[in-house]
Amino acid sequence: NAGVTQTPKFQVLKTGQSMTLQCAQDMNHEYMSWYRQDPGMGLRLIHYSVGAGITDQGEVPNGYNVSRSTTEDFPLRLLSAAPSQTSVYFCASSDWTGVGNTIYFGEGSWLTVV
Amino acid sequence: TQLLEQSPQFLSIQEGENLTVYCNSSSVFSSLQWYRQEPGEGPVLLVTVVTGGEVKKLKRLTFQFGDARKDSSLHITAAQPGDTGLYLCAGFRSGSARQLTFGSGTQLTVLP
Repeated sequence: NAGVTQTPKFQVLKTGQSMTLQCAQDMNHEYMSWYRQDPGMGLRLIHYSVGAGITDQGEVPNGYNVSRSTTEDFPLRLLSAAPSQTSVYFCASSDWTGVGNTIYFGEGSWLTVV
Repeated sequence: TQLLEQSPQFLSIQEGENLTVYCNSSSVFSSLQWYRQEPGEGPVLLVTVVTGGEVKKLKRLTFQFGDARKDSSLHITAAQPGDTGLYLCAGFRSGSARQLTFGSGTQLTVLP
């Protein structure tokens, strides 16, 4: 019953540090995505992938990099963390069968940049 | 400016009351979804509406998709404390089928 697994759950970074948020899914889903959630703003799409080797930008991609070398994993990299990237990050996956797909979310990663 | 505007942002009601949450946009969506999120967890899908004018019921929850596919509503009958949570609408815009856009959310608190 793993579903979508995110690590770490909590992280504190200093400005300028780099880190990678890990995301893995065991449902063989082609579609994976990363969102950030900030108070009063809902979830905003950072990057998404429709399959291994394919990634694309979402609404707020600046400051983040992604890669998709396998179907299971979709890591999100912060190359030089900034206080504006303090947020809760959610990874999600879907089998993307058409209109009205079910998207499964991980439990979130709380990131604080000081 | 949010593509999907949700109202109200906060709602605190007594157990047994009815409530409606609205999700509005100037854009057309191929489908709209409603999620519920509890503290410390990711959003969980409640329902997907696809056809303009569609109404779906999930026990005490009724979801409606506007005829023009630009808006949706969630109505809860006889709210219970277990309904407390953050309710999010999200939509797949026509022409952007693989990007799910979220509203800002409605924080519902049902007091016993």
